Amino acid sequence: GAVVSQHPSRVICKSGTSVKIECRSLDFQATTMFWYRQFPKKSLMLMATSNEGSKATYEQGVEKDKFLINHASLTLSTLTVTSAHPEDSSFYICSAVGPNNYGYTFGSGTRLTVV
Amino acid sequence: EDQVTQSPEALRLQEGESSSLNCSYTVSGLRGLFWYRQDPGKGPEFLFTLYSAGEEKEKERLKATLTKKESFLHITAPKPEDSATYLCAVDDNTDKLIFGTGTRLQVFP
Repeated sequence: GAVVSQHPSRVICKSGTSVKIECRSLDFQATTMFWYRQFPKKSLMLMATSNEGSKATYEQGVEKDKFLINHASLTLSTLTVTSAHPEDSSFYICSAVGPNNYGYTFGSGTRLTVV
Repeated sequence: EDQVTQSPEALRLQEGESSSLNCSYTVSGLRGLFWYRQDPGKGPEFLFTLYSAGEEKEKERLKATLTKKESFLHITAPKPEDSATYLCAVDDNTDKLIFGTGTRLQVFP
């Protein structure tokens, strides 16, 4: 079946630094990937839609300069949290549109802690 | 505005006590309704996709059904390992998912 790998699973960084999270589709090509943020005991909040070879589409209220998304290939999208602050601490999850251009497969998530 | 609502927010069951989780949706056009299971600290794990009213799908102790306004996830004789958060999401023809808030299920031995 379709597999999406997300790395790292956990990261701790100092306030003011940047962190990059990778999302890879391992056995299929994903023209579209999505980035979500999840707060404790809350549902997934869509941050942005990432399309291969073009600029990401950000949801209302998401700072595009803080959350940089790059989708340079059909199997890799990256989310960079720039100048991270403690309020950016959260669980970030990516997903990819699966084979046959339908179905949504999720990565295992990245727990970001900014200290 | 398209909306997905899940109930109950939390559910505690005794092992073997069957129950149902509800997902109500209000969307302009339904392309698909998805059920996912999420364990703490993990990403959502795909369970089912339903496309049209009247459709049903089963997997082990889980059965998902769909009407024009809602979907149910029936859990038959649950076991402690079924404890998780169950998420419902709708594809409303905008090429992205709208998630409900989830139902946290705890099954006690």
